[in-house]
Amino acid sequence: AQSVTQPDIHITVSEGASLELRCNYSYGATPYLFWYVQSPGQGLQLLLKYFSGDTLVQGIKGFEAEFKRSQSSFNLRKPSVHWSDAAEYFCAVGAGILFGNEKLTFGTGTRLTIIP
Amino acid sequence: GAGVSQSPSNKVTEKGKDVELRCDPISGHTALYWYRQSLGQGLEFLIYFQGNSAPDKSGLPSDRFSAERTGGSVSTLTIQRTQQEDSAVYLCASSRRSLAGAIGGELFFGEGSRLTVL
Repeated sequence: AQSVTQPDIHITVSEGASLELRCNYSYGATPYLFWYVQSPGQGLQLLLKYFSGDTLVQGIKGFEAEFKRSQSSFNLRKPSVHWSDAAEYFCAVGAGILFGNEKLTFGTGTRLTIIP
Repeated sequence: GAGVSQSPSNKVTEKGKDVELRCDPISGHTALYWYRQSLGQGLEFLIYFQGNSAPDKSGLPSDRFSAERTGGSVSTLTIQRTQQEDSAVYLCASSRRSLAGAIGGELFFGEGSRLTVL
């Protein structure tokens, strides 16, 4: 069965500093991977996704993520965070999408706090 | 509407009562999903609709949970005889096509319905 681990429950970063949020997945084949952001009072919004090809994917709001098969990881990065990036971030895997399985498995999320 | 609309935004109920949660997806979106977000937990898949059909109900926790979708649009999630462990935020998402049909497209989420069972 597919699973997703986000080891960091809460991360605090200074505004302007770089950010890396960790995500590890468990699945035998190449999964479809997603990062979503949930801002207070808003629904989840897709930041980026990976299916195949270039392992470094670019997303919205200046975020990027790199798929590393050897490490079963899909870490999210941003070179310089802004106060508006404070939110909850969720990594998700869709292991069976190619076979018609519509279920996404989400991690437990990482709450990002930005300090001045 | 412009986005996925869910109602009520907050619902407090007593144990044993039935509740209905409504989701109005983005117009034209054929795929609709229900997820549950409990405190400290990730999102838990409940059910997926394609049009009015539910090909995957595998995530519904028990037979107290049911969902329907009418007219290929609005969906209602019903929880009968609510229990305290049902307390959570229930999220609805829609997509123009299924994840498989659009090679992993994009889900658009509503703000959720927060259910508290006393």
